[in-house]
Amino acid sequence: GQQVMQIPQYQHVQEGEDFTTYCNSSTTLSNIQWYKQRPGGHPVFLIQLVKSGEVKKQKRLTFQFGEAKKNSSLHITATQTTDVGTYFCAGIGAGSYQLTFGKGTKLSVIP
Amino acid sequence: DSGVTQTPKHLITATGQRVTLRCSPRSGDLSVYWYQQSLDQGLQFLIQYYNGEERAKGNILERFSAQQFPDLHSELNLSSLELGDSALYFCASSPRTGSGANVLTFGAGSRLTVL
Repeated sequence: GQQVMQIPQYQHVQEGEDFTTYCNSSTTLSNIQWYKQRPGGHPVFLIQLVKSGEVKKQKRLTFQFGEAKKNSSLHITATQTTDVGTYFCAGIGAGSYQLTFGKGTKLSVIP
Repeated sequence: DSGVTQTPKHLITATGQRVTLRCSPRSGDLSVYWYQQSLDQGLQFLIQYYNGEERAKGNILERFSAQQFPDLHSELNLSSLELGDSALYFCASSPRTGSGANVLTFGAGSRLTVL
């Protein structure tokens, strides 16, 4: 079945440093989504990427979808303590409608 | 408030018991999904319903079952509970159609502790 791998599993950064998490799929994706789960909270949808090579920005967050539609990344510029949480990518395989989540990257920001 | 309501928020029970978790999807959403999240683990997909019909099945144990009712709320039944079933169980819903048809809105979760 479809697998979505996400690295790193954990990341500790100093406040103000940048952060990137990477997502790789074993199969071509029709789209990819990113979610954030704050400590003690539930996953919250951030963004969806559909087109090959697509890049979207939300303030300090930059999301990319690979040309082959098999990988994606989330980059946070100048992290803040409010960025703390676990970031999940989730992909839908081509021809499917089942969303498969990566295991997430847990971000800690040291003030 | 995400609009997805899950009850109960917390549940403590003993091994061998049976529990039912309930989920009301966001107004207008027809799909309901159930996920299991163990400590420091990712989101394990259990099952999806669409308008009352089972749509997709993940790694759901035979001891677990679910259904979606005509009013679109869903219940997840967990039986013969084991210690390893202790986890956070999330329900999520998604819209009927459009570009956001697969975007999930999660509830706050039901935390199950099996002693």
